[in-house]
Amino acid sequence: GESVGLHLPTLSVQEGDNSIINCAYSNSASDYFIWYKQESGKGPQFIIDIRSNMDKRQGQRVTVLLNKTVKHLSLQIAATQPGDSAVYFCASTGRLYNKLIFGAGTRLAVHP
Amino acid sequence: DARVTQTPRHKVTEMGQEVTMRCQPILGHNTVFWYRQTMMQGLELLAYFRNRAPLDDSGMPKDRFSAEMPDATLATLKIQPSEPRDSAVYFCASAEGAKTYEQYFGPGTRLTVT
Repeated sequence: GESVGLHLPTLSVQEGDNSIINCAYSNSASDYFIWYKQESGKGPQFIIDIRSNMDKRQGQRVTVLLNKTVKHLSLQIAATQPGDSAVYFCASTGRLYNKLIFGAGTRLAVHP
Repeated sequence: DARVTQTPRHKVTEMGQEVTMRCQPILGHNTVFWYRQTMMQGLELLAYFRNRAPLDDSGMPKDRFSAEMPDATLATLKIQPSEPRDSAVYFCASAEGAKTYEQYFGPGTRLTVT
């Protein structure tokens, strides 16, 4: 069945370093891949999306890379800040366009 | 600053009681989602509506859960009767137009059933 999974449950980085969060997916038919951020006690927050016909998209301090050959998605955060500490979820649009399939989440811990 | 609101934020109830959770989507958003989040299962989609019509509720236990949108500004999720295994955080999210993958989540309702 469809699944979106993450390689690492927890990622610890030093403030100022770059962070890379990885994700594997199984549904080749997904049109969009998305990253969400969830801070403690809050709902998930949309960060950035990438369409399946692209391999890279940049936002403010974030870059998403899509490698369809190996079904791999990554989120790069430049100059990681304490406010980036959160759980990050990758998601993809499933067989029904409206539905998102969420991965298990990776916790990013930023240390001073 | 438009945002999704949910009430109550916390609910503790006894097994067998009815629970009603409410959500006000962002004005103008025509798609509304209900999710449940637990440590074991992660984020699970329970149901979603477009233009107030239910499109998919396959993720929802039919015998005890029900979801409705009485009007465009209110979505409700009811559990009757509640069970301890329903303990979770329930999120409502809304989206606009065709970009339904860009969802705006509310703060959630933390439900504890004892």
